[in-house]
Amino acid sequence: GAVVSQHPSWVICKSGTSVKIECRSLDFQATTMFWYRQFPKQSLMLMATSNEGSKATYEQGVEKDKFLINHASLTLSTLTVTSAHPEDSSFYICSAKRQGLSQPQHFGDGTRLSIL
Amino acid sequence: AQKITQTQPGMFVQEKEAVTLDCTYDTSDPSYGLFWYKQPSSGEMIFLIYQGSYDQQNATEGRYSLNFQKARKSANLVISASQLGDSAMYFCAMRGPDNYGQNFVFGPGTRLSVLP
Repeated sequence: GAVVSQHPSWVICKSGTSVKIECRSLDFQATTMFWYRQFPKQSLMLMATSNEGSKATYEQGVEKDKFLINHASLTLSTLTVTSAHPEDSSFYICSAKRQGLSQPQHFGDGTRLSIL
Repeated sequence: AQKITQTQPGMFVQEKEAVTLDCTYDTSDPSYGLFWYKQPSSGEMIFLIYQGSYDQQNATEGRYSLNFQKARKSANLVISASQLGDSAMYFCAMRGPDNYGQNFVFGPGTRLSVLP
């Protein structure tokens, strides 16, 4: 199987707090990990793509200093929402992928972030 | 640029009946991959089925099959013998060209409701 663990599942915190979300591939080495944001009743919006040991590639319009991504190993990537504000409240979901064009992305269960 | 279109925002099907969810895509690259994902109300994204652009046969995975019509650029998902647990959002996605095969483009999704 291909299992991706994302933690935490829910976060509620005050405005100005920084929040770290972890994404781990549990039974395979992920050459690439992805971070998405999903608004209610909408599709996934790619925020950034990260390869192990290199800087993340951010999509247009995504603030690099706001959403810090670290991909320290082949099994772990983290997303830190710095100085979070209510407009950052959303569902964040990560995915991991093995090498190979036919390989699907395997997703974590997502993190629901609520900033008060 | 690649684009995925899912023209059915919502679909209803009677339990035990078959249902087809539409997906059309646009790309100028001869090499691409098409994926279908299921997202239940709990939020996790579940990989269902993959079709490569050079695959000669339509992909099948259990009750899921992909009706791949390359000339029409369509990759419809067929779910046979629908079950109540099939009620969810369904997303069609396309993998980018070989050089950028890591990135996926997701369609807007179709919400399937299975009626008892």
